[in-house]
Formats: sequence, C-alpha cells, structure tokens
Amino acid sequence: GAGVSQSPRYKVAKRGQDVALRCDPISGHVSLFWYQQALGQGPEFLTYFQNEAQLDKSGLPSDRFFAERPEGSVSTLKIQRTQQEDSAVYLCASSLADTQYFGPGTRLTVL
Amino acid sequence: QKEVEQNSGPLSVPEGAIASLNCTYSDRGSQSFFWYRQYSGKSPELIMFIYSNGDKEDGRFTAQLNKASQYVSLLIRDSQPSDSATYLCAVRENRDDKIIFGKGTRLHILP
Repeated sequence: GAGVSQSPRYKVAKRGQDVALRCDPISGHVSLFWYQQALGQGPEFLTYFQNEAQLDKSGLPSDRFFAERPEGSVSTLKIQRTQQEDSAVYLCASSLADTQYFGPGTRLTVL
Repeated sequence: QKEVEQNSGPLSVPEGAIASLNCTYSDRGSQSFFWYRQYSGKSPELIMFIYSNGDKEDGRFTAQLNKASQYVSLLIRDSQPSDSATYLCAVRENRDDKIIFGKGTRLHILP
C-alpha cells in the first residue's frame, strides 16, 4: 500500500482484557515508532524499532505494554490487563530517512 | 525532561490574513524541527521541517528557527478555511531518535 496502515481502527475493551494493535509500515521503511495520543494532547512516544531491533522503549508506561516487530516489517503493540487510563489513540509511524509518516491510528476505548 | 511548549489556542485568524504559530523547546541538543497539521479525528500530517537557523519557505508556509532562543515558528500566508486544524510542533535530537511533540495549537480561520 501507499501509506502506513493500522488495524483495527477502533477497539473497545473491557477493563482487564488484553488487546493487540497492528501496524503495517510503508514497504522498505527501516524505522517504526509507536505513539499514544490522549484527547487534546500531542502524541507521546512509546517505543521505536530499527528493523526488528527495539532500540528505545523508554516511553512504555508500564510493563503491561509490550511491542514487537519480529521480521522487521509488521509491528504489534500489545496491552495486557487494560485499564481505563489506556484509552487513547495509538499512532504508528514509519520512516526511511528523516520524515515520519503516520498511520490513521487505532482508537482504544477501555470500559 | 525534554519539553516542547505551544499555546493551545484557539487562535482565530481572518481568511486571507497571516497566521503565526509559535513553539519553544527545552533541549538545546535538538537538531530537527517539524510542524505537523492534524485535522480532528485524523493522524498528524507533516507540513514542514527545518534544520538550520533562519527561514524556510514552502508555498504559503514559512518555518522559522532560532536555535539561540530555542524558538521555532510557522507562518501561514493567505490563510484559508481549510487551514483550520491543530498544528503540532515537534523536535528531535538525533536523526533516528524519537520525536517530542508539543500539545498543539488549534487554529481557526474565520471565513
């Protein structure tokens, strides 16, 4: 595809459920980033991959959050035992050089 | 803590006038500076990036950077109603590093 794709676009989870969010980056893009955007806020960095290597996970808010990119392309962000404060839009971005291109995001609502 | 500060707005500008958006950042080591536009319910879209002190023009947009003052701005000439959106200022320390976003300024172009 021409851009970054994310699925699902919307996810409703009951508190305590596990969720998995998928990101398909632009083909050939080496770097992949995950951000969390709460309502009325700017995106906040969660984690970063270069190919399959997770180089920075300093933004993950707790050990309930886990991300992987096993083959250096598709990435999955997993949130275990979801809490209401996890409700946000989760944005994925990929880049080849300096510019990050964002996907449409997954809106997660935890009830 | 690296911070990017923006006035949240809303900033109201008459159609056809110049909109001026401002941003300050805390990390003197920042090397790359970005302006993203985000429409409601959509993902951020890159408008401009600037690396060197001074002005950079692209169509109706001009980015201005002053590293000594740790200040970056975006000017939008001949503002159009379609420019109404949230504008996110973002900075990055190194080429492959995460991007730190401000909270965004809501811009409203009055027809």
